[in-house]
Amino acid sequence: DAGVIQSPRHEVTEMGQEVTLRCKPISGHNSLFWYRQTMMRGLELLIYFNNNVPIDDSGMPEDRFSAKMPNASFSTLKIQPSEPRDSAVYFCASSPRDRGSYGYTFGSGTRLTVV
Amino acid sequence: AQSVTQLGSHVSVSEGALVLLRCNYSSSVPPYLFWYVQYPNQGLQLLLKYTTGATLVKGINGFEAEFKKSETSFHLTKPSAHMSDAAEYFCAVILNTPLVFGKGTRLSVIA
Repeated sequence: DAGVIQSPRHEVTEMGQEVTLRCKPISGHNSLFWYRQTMMRGLELLIYFNNNVPIDDSGMPEDRFSAKMPNASFSTLKIQPSEPRDSAVYFCASSPRDRGSYGYTFGSGTRLTVV
Repeated sequence: AQSVTQLGSHVSVSEGALVLLRCNYSSSVPPYLFWYVQYPNQGLQLLLKYTTGATLVKGINGFEAEFKKSETSFHLTKPSAHMSDAAEYFCAVILNTPLVFGKGTRLSVIA
């Protein structure tokens, strides 16, 4: 299994531009999560999906952030317009389900820098 | 809601010394508990987990952790630190919400 695949690994963009982060979860995993990691706030859950349906987006910081999961093998996190404070590492993770003892498998992350 | 507290944002040990990273959880019911490790510029890798049963759990790379309900703790240990153990370690909990992480502890290993 190739694990959770995220792209791009690094993204540098100018303030105001649209940014799209991509994630391919592990086949057969029903839950997908987007986390953001910063020095100040640590690892924060932004949004998660069960069976391609968004369950909780209360962690999404602003309306500038949106996430979709059009099918079981693909998800995107979009920021429009981007701001310097959005600079962080964004992780995608997947799991057989959102609770329970499975734990989550994480991708390698996308390091976003907004200048 | 459950939460996790990791004592010490940075721990430094000598190579060959005992590693002890502390984690306490806040929950009225024992949750599922996890330790993850993050090497520089990489994602998070599962080290070990406690679900039910034996309270001493063994993980990868010689690490182990003991669940103590009376102390609401799940401390991570390794008898002898290796240079390759230098990384960030995160304690995490699942009960009624998706995985919640502590702030992390950066482990430095001194030669």
